[in-house]
Formats: sequence, C-alpha cells, structure tokens
Amino acid sequence: AQKITQTQPGMFVQEKEAVTLDCTYDTSDQSYGLFWYKQPSSGEMIFLIYQGSYDEQNATEGRYSLNFQKARKSANLVISASQLGDSAMYFCATRRGSTLGRLYFGRGTQLTVWP
Amino acid sequence: DARVTQTPRHKVTEMGQEVTMRCQPILGHNTVFWYRQTMMQGLELLAYFRNRAPLDDSGMPKDRFSAEMPDATLATLKIQPSEPRDSAVYFCASGLPPPDRKPYEQYFGPGTRLTVT
Repeated sequence: AQKITQTQPGMFVQEKEAVTLDCTYDTSDQSYGLFWYKQPSSGEMIFLIYQGSYDEQNATEGRYSLNFQKARKSANLVISASQLGDSAMYFCATRRGSTLGRLYFGRGTQLTVWP
Repeated sequence: DARVTQTPRHKVTEMGQEVTMRCQPILGHNTVFWYRQTMMQGLELLAYFRNRAPLDDSGMPKDRFSAEMPDATLATLKIQPSEPRDSAVYFCASGLPPPDRKPYEQYFGPGTRLTVT
C-alpha cells in the first residue's frame, strides 16, 4: 500500500509570505502520481497541483509549486504570496500508475494565514 | 461549470436505520469514487467504479455497506443498518481515464455529512 506522511499538523504564515507544506511518501512503484488538495472550512476538496513520477520539471500552478525530490520521496507544496483565503487544510495524496485511480491521502496540514 | 453533486448534504439518523447517499458525477465521467473522511482514519477509499462496474471495494465493510451505479449519471452508497461509528463525511468523486488530458485528477463533490446517533 502507498503511505503518505505529513508531519506538520498545523502551520502559520503571515499574509504575503511564502510557506512550505511537507509531504513524504513511500512507494515501490516506478510510475505514480502526486497530488495536493485543499479543503477549506466549507468542506469541499479542491485540486491544486499534480506531479507525475516521470516529470522532470517541478509542477507549478499559479502561486502553487511542488518541490519534487524523487530520491528523497518528497513532494512539498510551496505557496507563494500567501493570502487570507489560503487558510485551509491541505492534503497530499498519491496514486499508483500514471492513469486515473484511487488516491491515498496523508492526514493533512492545517494552514492558518494571519494578517 | 460542471460539478459533482451529492445528496443529501447532511443526514442525521438513528442507529439501525438505512441510509442512502446519492452522487451525480460530472457528465461524461465514467469513473466514480467513494471516500470517507473521519478524524480517526482521515480520508480513505471505500469503493470505485468504472463504466458502472466495481473495480475496487476493498475498503468497504461488506456486511453493512453497498455501492452501485444504477446508471451512468447516478451512484449510490447505502448503509444498512447504520451504526454510530459510521458517522463521517462521505465524498463522491469522478474523473476520466486516458485518453483524457493529464493529470486525470478526481473532481470531488461537496460531501454528505452523516451523523448516526
């Protein structure tokens, strides 16, 4: 089974600063996908960013970037220029293979952005 | 703006009652997932379907849970009889496998918050 570890239960960042949310994973697969989802207090799950195991470039989506270190099995999310609306729970997830399939989630990191 | 819809959004029921949760995937998506979120276990897969056929239901307690897709636009998750430990948020998600574009992400519905007393 895939295992995702998010070691930071909670993180705090000041508005406009950058923040890094940690994620490590354990897999013996060669092909896999890494995802980050955001869950605001309203409860919905919002897809943020994806990195494939064979992608050589780190993924970026607007203010989100994924710092992918394959040898260390690390897939940290970097949020630049934090906004108050970024306050939410953030989940790292992995998927086996390169196609659509079940996700294995970490326990999440609660991010609070303060003014 | 295509979205996954789930009904009901909230459900409070007594132990022993049957609970049915419904999900309408995004039109055209042929893969549907059911996840459960609790404080103790986090987010975990219960079951998923492709083209209405179950592909993986290993996370689902078989004695009381059942999931099916009567048609391509409706997925249901039933609990009979319900127990207090079933209290959780149940998410439905849908997606398309290749040759749709990468990364083949799953689109989540708003969830059904179930409370069993």
